[in-house]
Amino acid sequence: NAGVMQNPRHLVRRRGQEARLRCSPMKGHSHVYWYRQLPEEGLKFMVYLQKENIIDESGMPKERFSAEFPKEGPSILRIQQVVRGDSAAYFCAVRRADTQYFGPGTRLTVL
Amino acid sequence: GDSVTQMEGPVTLSEEAFLTINCTYTATGYPSLFWYVQYPGEGLQLLLKATKADDKGSNKGFEATYRKETTSFHLEKGSVQVSDSAVYFCALSSGGGTSYGKLTFGQGTILTVHP
Repeated sequence: NAGVMQNPRHLVRRRGQEARLRCSPMKGHSHVYWYRQLPEEGLKFMVYLQKENIIDESGMPKERFSAEFPKEGPSILRIQQVVRGDSAAYFCAVRRADTQYFGPGTRLTVL
Repeated sequence: GDSVTQMEGPVTLSEEAFLTINCTYTATGYPSLFWYVQYPGEGLQLLLKATKADDKGSNKGFEATYRKETTSFHLEKGSVQVSDSAVYFCALSSGGGTSYGKLTFGQGTILTVHP
């Protein structure tokens, strides 16, 4: 996976709980992208971050979703008060030159 | 805005058959074009890419040519194997501005190859 770790691989939450998804790029990667894959659909861009900065969040839902990439530690995608429609696979990717390389994803199931 | 359209699936083929998956795009400027493959339960793997008009990307027997005049990037393979069964995504990346490198994906094409 080109040095991109994601955890957990599978996450189950009940409606109303919070979900935290982590993306740990290899050292030296400072650009992270998050994408969401709804069942039987393609991937949709959510947010693009550099260390300590959100560069483009045009794909993020306006409420309940937030993302960060602190100076130290992994990038976090946080979903508050999850609903069944949040059930999806969430992928992060790092960029090397003009190409993005994806992690294995976190599959979120909301009961 | 940018968009990518892939041929409708699923596609079912016999082993050693010829594969074509059509992909057309709409974008401003000069995007880079990609094919990614996703095996069940896994993330996306880069299959091949092309960064300018008339470039041909190739990998593992798959090929695609960046055709600016027809805004297309069709994926082909001369002889598919059972192990090629997966979901294939066409994607583009438009450079410039704050969205540099953001990928826009097609809806994916499910390929099943039978022995």
